[in-house]
Amino acid sequence: KAGVTQTPRYLIKTRGQQVTLSCSPISGHRSVSWYQQTPGQGLQFLFEYFSETQRNKGNFPGRFSGRQFSNSRSEMNVSTLELGDSALYLCASSLGVIPREAFFGQGTRLTVV
Amino acid sequence: SQKIEQNSEALNIQEGKTATLTCNYTNYSPAYLQWYRQDPGRGPVFLLLIRENEKEKRKERLKVTFDTTLKQSLFHITASQPADSATYLCAPRGADKLIFGTGTRLQVFP
Repeated sequence: KAGVTQTPRYLIKTRGQQVTLSCSPISGHRSVSWYQQTPGQGLQFLFEYFSETQRNKGNFPGRFSGRQFSNSRSEMNVSTLELGDSALYLCASSLGVIPREAFFGQGTRLTVV
Repeated sequence: SQKIEQNSEALNIQEGKTATLTCNYTNYSPAYLQWYRQDPGRGPVFLLLIRENEKEKRKERLKVTFDTTLKQSLFHITASQPADSATYLCAPRGADKLIFGTGTRLQVFP
């Protein structure tokens, strides 16, 4: 079966712009989580959605937001980009309400200049 | 706040030896703990899950232990191979979300 698909793979944006990243989970998976990965901080939890509802949110500013659609696809948006937002953004999908095994996509590499 | 510690220094071992990676956590009691492997430029890949009532879990050359008293998990790769070279992440999970450690880079040399 197809894995988790994230688009785009690479993105370059200018400070102050906004960006939307997309994640298509594995078919049948209803839980989607987002993470930011940087060399110094590792994988930082952004938020988690299940059946279109945000279940958990990490310690990120309100510039980071997300949503999940009825087909379980998810998007995350970052507004007013800052240089420090440059990172690999990873999406993971899981089957149930309390995710067990998480399946990750390849990630979107965002560079803010 | 919840904190996970993995050895930030790379672990270098010779092919055929057993690699042992450590994961320590504080300020919470995870119901289960997962280990993932991540290769450069790619997303993490799930390896093993161990529950709080399990002491040890094995899968082929991999073995994980979970000591809830010490708040520690050990991840072993026996008969290591150069192909095992990667970053290994532990992810203890509490009641609400999966939190990842920063990972330990393993380098297996011939």
